[in-house]
Amino acid sequence: EVQLVESGGGLVQPGRSLRLSCAASGFTFDDYAMHWVRQVPGRGLEWVSGISWNSATIVYADSVKGRFTISRDNAKNSLSLQMNSLRAEDTAFYYCVKAWSSMTRGNGYFDYWGPGTLVTVSS
Amino acid sequence: IQLTQSPSSLSASVGDRVTITCRASQDISTYSAWYQQKPGQAPKLLIYAGFTLQSGVPSRFSGSGSGTDATLTISSLQPEDFATYYCQQLNTYPITFGQGTRLEIK
Repeated sequence: EVQLVESGGGLVQPGRSLRLSCAASGFTFDDYAMHWVRQVPGRGLEWVSGISWNSATIVYADSVKGRFTISRDNAKNSLSLQMNSLRAEDTAFYYCVKAWSSMTRGNGYFDYWGPGTLVTVSS
Repeated sequence: IQLTQSPSSLSASVGDRVTITCRASQDISTYSAWYQQKPGQAPKLLIYAGFTLQSGVPSRFSGSGSGTDATLTISSLQPEDFATYYCQQLNTYPITFGQGTRLEIK
Protein backbone atom coordinates (compact mmCIF):
# COMPACT_ATOMS: atom_id res chain seq x y z
CA GLU A 1 0.00 0.00 0.00
CA VAL A 2 1.35 3.40 -1.01
CA GLN A 3 1.81 5.72 1.95
CA LEU A 4 2.99 9.31 1.98
CA VAL A 5 3.35 11.03 5.32
CA GLU A 6 4.26 14.70 5.58
CA SER A 7 5.87 16.30 8.61
CA GLY A 8 7.44 19.59 9.59
CA GLY A 9 4.46 21.93 9.38
CA GLY A 10 3.64 24.44 12.06
CA LEU A 11 3.50 28.11 12.96
CA VAL A 12 6.37 30.26 11.73
CA GLN A 13 6.98 34.00 11.61
CA PRO A 14 7.17 35.88 8.31
CA GLY A 15 10.67 35.87 6.89
CA ARG A 16 11.68 32.70 8.69
CA SER A 17 12.32 29.21 7.29
CA LEU A 18 10.69 25.81 7.58
CA ARG A 19 11.55 22.42 6.16
CA LEU A 20 8.86 19.92 5.21
CA SER A 21 9.57 16.23 4.85
CA CYS A 22 7.65 13.39 3.29
CA ALA A 23 8.26 9.75 4.13
CA ALA A 24 7.24 7.42 1.30
CA SER A 25 6.56 3.69 1.43
CA GLY A 26 4.75 0.97 -0.47
CA PHE A 27 6.32 1.65 -3.88
CA THR A 28 9.71 1.87 -5.55
CA PHE A 29 10.41 5.49 -4.68
CA ASP A 30 13.19 6.11 -7.19
CA ASP A 31 10.98 5.08 -10.14
CA TYR A 32 8.66 8.07 -9.81
CA ALA A 33 8.62 11.84 -9.92
CA MET A 34 7.32 13.61 -6.83
CA HIS A 35 5.61 16.94 -6.20
CA TRP A 36 4.42 19.34 -3.55
CA VAL A 37 0.96 20.87 -3.90
CA ARG A 38 -0.55 23.36 -1.47
CA GLN A 39 -4.05 24.45 -0.59
CA VAL A 40 -5.16 27.43 1.44
CA PRO A 41 -7.94 26.15 3.74
CA GLY A 42 -11.25 26.47 1.92
CA ARG A 43 -9.58 27.38 -1.38
CA GLY A 44 -8.29 25.61 -4.48
CA LEU A 45 -5.18 23.60 -5.28
CA GLU A 46 -1.86 25.17 -6.24
CA TRP A 47 1.06 23.18 -7.58
CA VAL A 48 4.28 24.25 -5.83
CA SER A 49 7.19 22.17 -7.12
CA GLY A 50 8.13 18.91 -8.78
CA ILE A 51 11.23 16.73 -9.03
CA SER A 52 11.98 13.89 -11.42
CA TRP A 53 12.99 10.42 -10.27
CA ASN A 54 16.73 11.20 -10.48
CA SER A 55 16.52 14.90 -9.50
CA ALA A 56 17.63 15.90 -13.01
CA THR A 57 14.47 17.93 -13.56
CA ILE A 58 13.34 20.32 -10.84
CA VAL A 59 10.58 22.84 -11.44
CA TYR A 60 8.85 25.48 -9.34
CA ALA A 61 5.80 27.68 -9.44
CA ASP A 62 6.70 31.34 -9.96
CA SER A 63 5.20 32.16 -6.56
CA VAL A 64 7.92 30.19 -4.73
CA LYS A 65 10.85 30.27 -7.16
CA GLY A 66 14.02 31.46 -5.45
CA ARG A 67 12.57 30.88 -1.96
CA PHE A 68 11.69 27.16 -1.92
CA THR A 69 13.96 24.21 -2.70
CA ILE A 70 12.71 20.71 -3.40
CA SER A 71 14.97 17.69 -2.95
CA ARG A 72 14.79 13.96 -2.60
CA ASP A 73 16.85 11.19 -1.04
CA ASN A 74 16.14 7.98 -2.92
CA ALA A 75 18.17 5.93 -0.45
CA LYS A 76 15.86 7.07 2.34
CA ASN A 77 12.62 7.18 0.34
CA SER A 78 12.09 10.76 1.34
CA LEU A 79 11.10 14.06 -0.24
CA SER A 80 11.78 17.49 1.24
CA LEU A 81 10.76 21.07 0.73
CA GLN A 82 12.98 23.78 2.19
CA MET A 83 10.96 26.96 2.52
CA ASN A 84 12.82 30.21 3.11
CA SER A 85 11.67 33.84 3.39
CA LEU A 86 8.17 32.69 4.23
CA ARG A 87 5.25 35.03 3.66
CA ALA A 88 1.71 35.15 4.99
CA GLU A 89 0.47 34.01 1.59
CA ASP A 90 2.43 30.77 1.97
CA THR A 91 -0.02 29.72 4.69
CA ALA A 92 -1.64 26.50 3.46
CA PHE A 93 -1.87 22.77 3.73
CA TYR A 94 1.10 21.22 1.91
CA TYR A 95 0.60 17.86 0.23
CA CYS A 96 3.32 15.43 -0.79
CA VAL A 97 2.27 13.85 -4.08
CA LYS A 98 3.49 10.84 -6.03
CA ALA A 99 3.48 11.05 -9.81
CA TRP A 100 2.13 8.25 -12.01
CA SER A 101 5.42 8.14 -13.92
CA SER A 102 9.03 9.24 -13.71
CA MET A 103 8.10 12.46 -15.50
CA THR A 104 7.28 15.75 -13.82
CA ARG A 105 4.73 16.66 -16.48
CA GLY A 106 3.05 15.02 -19.46
CA ASN A 107 1.83 11.68 -18.16
CA GLY A 108 3.05 12.33 -14.62
CA TYR A 109 -0.43 12.47 -13.14
CA PHE A 110 -0.78 12.81 -9.37
CA ASP A 111 -1.94 9.35 -8.32
CA TYR A 112 -1.26 9.33 -4.57
CA TRP A 113 -1.43 12.17 -2.06
CA GLY A 114 -0.37 12.41 1.56
CA PRO A 115 -2.83 13.73 4.18
CA GLY A 116 -1.08 17.11 4.21
CA THR A 117 0.69 19.23 6.79
CA LEU A 118 -0.43 22.74 7.73
CA VAL A 119 2.01 25.63 7.50
CA THR A 120 0.90 28.87 9.11
CA VAL A 121 2.97 31.99 8.55
CA SER A 122 2.04 34.65 11.06
CA SER A 123 3.63 36.97 13.58
CA ILE B 1 -2.12 27.62 -18.97
CA GLN B 2 -5.23 28.89 -17.21
CA LEU B 3 -8.04 26.44 -16.56
CA THR B 4 -11.62 27.62 -16.09
CA GLN B 5 -14.15 25.16 -14.75
CA SER B 6 -17.87 25.53 -15.18
CA PRO B 7 -19.97 25.62 -13.25
CA SER B 8 -18.17 26.73 -10.08
CA SER B 9 -20.91 25.12 -8.01
CA LEU B 10 -23.73 22.78 -8.78
CA SER B 11 -26.71 21.39 -6.88
CA ALA B 12 -27.97 18.00 -7.99
CA SER B 13 -29.90 15.00 -6.75
CA VAL B 14 -28.95 11.36 -6.32
CA GLY B 15 -29.39 9.65 -9.66
CA ASP B 16 -28.80 12.79 -11.75
CA ARG B 17 -26.36 12.94 -14.64
CA VAL B 18 -23.82 15.71 -14.11
CA THR B 19 -21.26 17.26 -16.45
CA ILE B 20 -18.40 19.54 -15.44
CA THR B 21 -16.40 21.35 -18.08
CA CYS B 22 -12.81 22.58 -17.98
CA ARG B 23 -11.67 25.08 -20.60
CA ALA B 24 -7.96 25.80 -21.06
CA SER B 25 -6.33 28.93 -22.42
CA GLN B 26 -4.11 26.72 -24.62
CA ASP B 27 -4.10 23.19 -25.97
CA ILE B 28 -3.77 20.68 -23.14
CA SER B 29 -3.98 17.65 -25.49
CA THR B 30 -4.62 14.51 -23.48
CA TYR B 31 -2.45 15.57 -20.54
CA SER B 32 -5.39 16.43 -18.38
CA ALA B 33 -6.76 14.85 -15.23
CA TRP B 34 -9.66 15.11 -12.81
CA TYR B 35 -9.54 14.90 -9.03
CA GLN B 36 -12.19 14.56 -6.35
CA GLN B 37 -11.74 16.13 -2.93
CA LYS B 38 -13.99 15.61 0.06
CA PRO B 39 -13.86 17.88 3.13
CA GLY B 40 -10.86 17.18 5.34
CA GLN B 41 -9.31 14.79 2.83
CA ALA B 42 -6.58 14.95 0.22
CA PRO B 43 -7.59 14.98 -3.43
CA LYS B 44 -8.07 11.66 -5.21
CA LEU B 45 -7.24 10.96 -8.85
CA LEU B 46 -10.33 9.97 -10.84
CA ILE B 47 -9.47 10.36 -14.52
CA TYR B 48 -6.12 10.75 -16.29
CA ALA B 49 -4.96 11.17 -19.86
CA GLY B 50 -8.26 12.89 -20.52
CA PHE B 51 -10.47 9.79 -20.36
CA THR B 52 -8.73 6.89 -18.57
CA LEU B 53 -10.39 5.79 -15.34
CA GLN B 54 -7.99 5.39 -12.41
CA SER B 55 -8.01 1.93 -10.85
CA GLY B 56 -10.82 1.51 -8.32
CA VAL B 57 -12.87 4.46 -9.54
CA PRO B 58 -16.50 3.57 -10.31
CA SER B 59 -17.47 3.38 -13.98
CA ARG B 60 -20.16 6.04 -13.54
CA PHE B 61 -17.27 8.54 -13.85
CA SER B 62 -16.02 9.29 -17.34
CA GLY B 63 -13.83 11.86 -19.02
CA SER B 64 -13.66 13.25 -22.52
CA GLY B 65 -12.42 16.19 -24.54
CA SER B 66 -9.51 17.33 -26.64
CA GLY B 67 -7.61 20.45 -27.52
CA THR B 68 -8.57 23.14 -25.04
CA ASP B 69 -11.56 21.37 -23.47
CA ALA B 70 -11.94 18.56 -20.93
CA THR B 71 -15.19 17.20 -19.51
CA LEU B 72 -16.01 15.09 -16.48
CA THR B 73 -19.34 13.27 -16.45
CA ILE B 74 -20.96 11.40 -13.60
CA SER B 75 -23.69 9.27 -15.12
CA SER B 76 -25.79 8.65 -12.00
CA LEU B 77 -24.88 10.57 -8.87
CA GLN B 78 -24.40 8.59 -5.68
CA PRO B 79 -24.41 10.08 -2.16
CA GLU B 80 -20.63 9.64 -1.89
CA ASP B 81 -20.04 11.73 -5.02
CA PHE B 82 -20.91 15.04 -3.38
CA ALA B 83 -17.52 16.72 -3.21
CA THR B 84 -15.35 19.29 -4.99
CA TYR B 85 -13.86 18.39 -8.37
CA TYR B 86 -10.72 19.84 -9.93
CA CYS B 87 -9.34 19.57 -13.43
CA GLN B 88 -5.58 19.70 -14.02
CA GLN B 89 -3.25 20.13 -16.97
CA LEU B 90 0.25 18.70 -17.15
CA ASN B 91 0.96 19.70 -20.76
CA THR B 92 3.24 22.60 -19.84
CA TYR B 93 4.80 24.16 -16.77
CA PRO B 94 3.55 25.42 -14.47
CA ILE B 95 1.18 22.57 -13.81
CA THR B 96 -2.19 24.16 -13.11
CA PHE B 97 -5.56 23.27 -11.64
CA GLY B 98 -8.98 24.64 -12.32
CA GLN B 99 -10.63 26.64 -9.57
CA GLY B 100 -12.84 23.71 -8.57
CA THR B 101 -16.50 22.76 -8.91
CA ARG B 102 -18.41 22.18 -5.70
CA LEU B 103 -21.10 19.55 -6.16
CA GLU B 104 -23.80 19.79 -3.52
CA ILE B 105 -26.92 17.82 -2.71
CA LYS B 106 -30.16 19.43 -3.88
